[in-house]
Amino acid sequence: GAVVSQHPSRVICKSGTSVKIECRSLDFQATTMFWYRQFPKQSLMLMATSNEGSKATYEQGVEKDKFLINHASLTLSTLTVTSAHPEDSSFYICSARYMAGGLDEQFFGPGTRLTVL
Amino acid sequence: DAKTTQPPSMDCAEGRAANLPCNHSTISGNEYVYWYRQIHSQGPQYIIHGLKNNETNEMASLIITEDRKSSTLILPHATLRDTAVYYCIVSLLSGYALNFGKGTSLLVTP
Repeated sequence: GAVVSQHPSRVICKSGTSVKIECRSLDFQATTMFWYRQFPKQSLMLMATSNEGSKATYEQGVEKDKFLINHASLTLSTLTVTSAHPEDSSFYICSARYMAGGLDEQFFGPGTRLTVL
Repeated sequence: DAKTTQPPSMDCAEGRAANLPCNHSTISGNEYVYWYRQIHSQGPQYIIHGLKNNETNEMASLIITEDRKSSTLILPHATLRDTAVYYCIVSLLSGYALNFGKGTSLLVTP
């Protein structure tokens, strides 16, 4: 299957700082990538849909000015958590949409654990 | 997307079959049933999907009832590494944003 990577896998930062998380599709081009967030003992919740070359679409309740998404190339989307606070501590997971040969599937990255002190 | 209902947790002895049920009574005619699993602190992993017919692959089997209102994921010989949260999702395509729901936490015991 297609491979999606995330970097970093784990990050600890101080309250008030910004953190950037990268999501890359390693062996395919993805015009659409998704960002999910998962709090402890809860399910994945969609934050936003990222389309290459256009603005991301955010789910209700997700602050677009706090969670900046950039999808500048067909293999890279970034999520920047600005002015992070302890309540932003979570597991952030990206996925990339693979469309080729009649297939339309979604492949997930390994996730990034963010801890804000 | 149609919503799904799964038991919150299940246990299974190692080597036995694990049968995970899912109700999706409001599924529409063109929606597929997808199963993913998430091992602790990892990204979700695709398992299998189906529309109407039963499906089997190297990981699992998917049994969908004739009225398509429910399905069962079968892990034929569960191992300790199958301990994970299993999500049943209905969607037009898996390339769309997915509604994961709460899933079933499967514990495989020695």
